[in-house]
Amino acid sequence: AQSVTQPDIHITVSEGASLELRCNYSYGATPYLFWYVQSPGQGLQLLLKYFSGDTLVQGIKGFEAEFKRSQSSFNLRKPSVHWSDAAEYFCAVGAGGFKTIFGAGTRLFVKA
Amino acid sequence: SQTIHQWPATLVQPVGSPLSLECTVEGTSNPNLYWYRQAAGRGLQLLFYSVGIGQISSEVPQNLSASRPQDRQFILSSKKLLLSDSGFYLCAWSIGAGDQETQYFGPGTRLLVL
Repeated sequence: AQSVTQPDIHITVSEGASLELRCNYSYGATPYLFWYVQSPGQGLQLLLKYFSGDTLVQGIKGFEAEFKRSQSSFNLRKPSVHWSDAAEYFCAVGAGGFKTIFGAGTRLFVKA
Repeated sequence: SQTIHQWPATLVQPVGSPLSLECTVEGTSNPNLYWYRQAAGRGLQLLFYSVGIGQISSEVPQNLSASRPQDRQFILSSKKLLLSDSGFYLCAWSIGAGDQETQYFGPGTRLLVL
């Protein structure tokens, strides 16, 4: 069965430090992968998506993600975190049939 | 450009009362529409999706229902709310089908049932 695992429930990083949020998926075919961000009390905003081609995907707000088929991973990275990046981040895989499977989310805290 | 609206933004309702949440999309035609619920500190649970007017698919049996009276309008309803219906309700839209469809979310409605 298809699934998405975000191993870290929450992560704390210092402002200016680098960030990596982990995502592992289980999907039988070529996956179509997404990262979304949700600020408190808001909807989800699409950060980036991977469909095919270059395995390093650039997104908005300075985020990037790398698809690694051998590891079934799609980790999100940012070289220097800003306080405004504090939010919850969701990894998702397109499962077809009008279904997108979301991970449980990772909450990012940024300390000054 | 496309925009998606949800209202109300916040709602406090007593147990046993009815519910109606509305979602509308602008700037696109024939979108796929979705209702999700997000419980506190948890991920997204797909409740309903619709690929066209009057076409509703239910993912989770519950006391909620959905309707799509117009192409770009999606309504979530209940006849009698339960305490467990509290949560953050998100509407989303997409175009097309298959694994590649990208969903875009509205601002959400926070529902508290007391």
